[in-house]
Amino acid sequence: AQSVTQLDSHVSVSEGTPVLLRCNYSSSYSPSLFWYVQHPNKGLQLLLKYTSAATLVKGINGFEAEFKKSETSFHLTKPSAHMSDAAEYFCVVSIGRGTYKYIFGTGTRLKVLA
Amino acid sequence: GAGVSQSPRYKVTKRGQDVALRCDPISGHVSLYWYRQALGQGPEFLTYFNYEAQQDKSGLPNDRFSAERPEGSISTLTIQRTEQRDSAMYRCASSQVGGTATQYFGPGTRLLVL
Repeated sequence: AQSVTQLDSHVSVSEGTPVLLRCNYSSSYSPSLFWYVQHPNKGLQLLLKYTSAATLVKGINGFEAEFKKSETSFHLTKPSAHMSDAAEYFCVVSIGRGTYKYIFGTGTRLKVLA
Repeated sequence: GAGVSQSPRYKVTKRGQDVALRCDPISGHVSLYWYRQALGQGPEFLTYFNYEAQQDKSGLPNDRFSAERPEGSISTLTIQRTEQRDSAMYRCASSQVGGTATQYFGPGTRLLVL
């Protein structure tokens, strides 16, 4: 079965410091992995996706994630947090293989302190 | 259209009433997905369509829930005899046909069953 575990439900960082949001996945097949962001009262926006090409994936707003098969991880990072990064972040796995549904993690709420 | 649209954005109903939630996907997108997001959780898959064909309905919680997409474009998610536990955000997404195609999400419909 496929699953996603986001290891931290809340993360607080100071503005200008690095961001690390952790995600581990479980999949019997080669997965596609995504990070989505959800700002308050807004829809889900794609940050980046991994689809078996380069293992280091760059996304919007300075975010990037590295696919590590040996560790079954897909952690999201950003070198320097901005106040506007405060939001909820979801790690997502999709396995294809006849059904392309997304399986979401439980989310990590990022707080950015001034 | 420019993005996925959903209506209504908010729906308050009394227990036992039927509700219909509408999703209008991005023009030309073949696949359409429905998810349900409880407060503090990640979205959970309900069902999805390719064109007008319902490909996977494994996530529908019981037979009070149904979905259709008769002309391969707009979709309706219907909940019959609503219960308080049905209260949640219902999200629709659309994509190009399957595989690694990115899903683009609408703003959601928040349903409150009193």
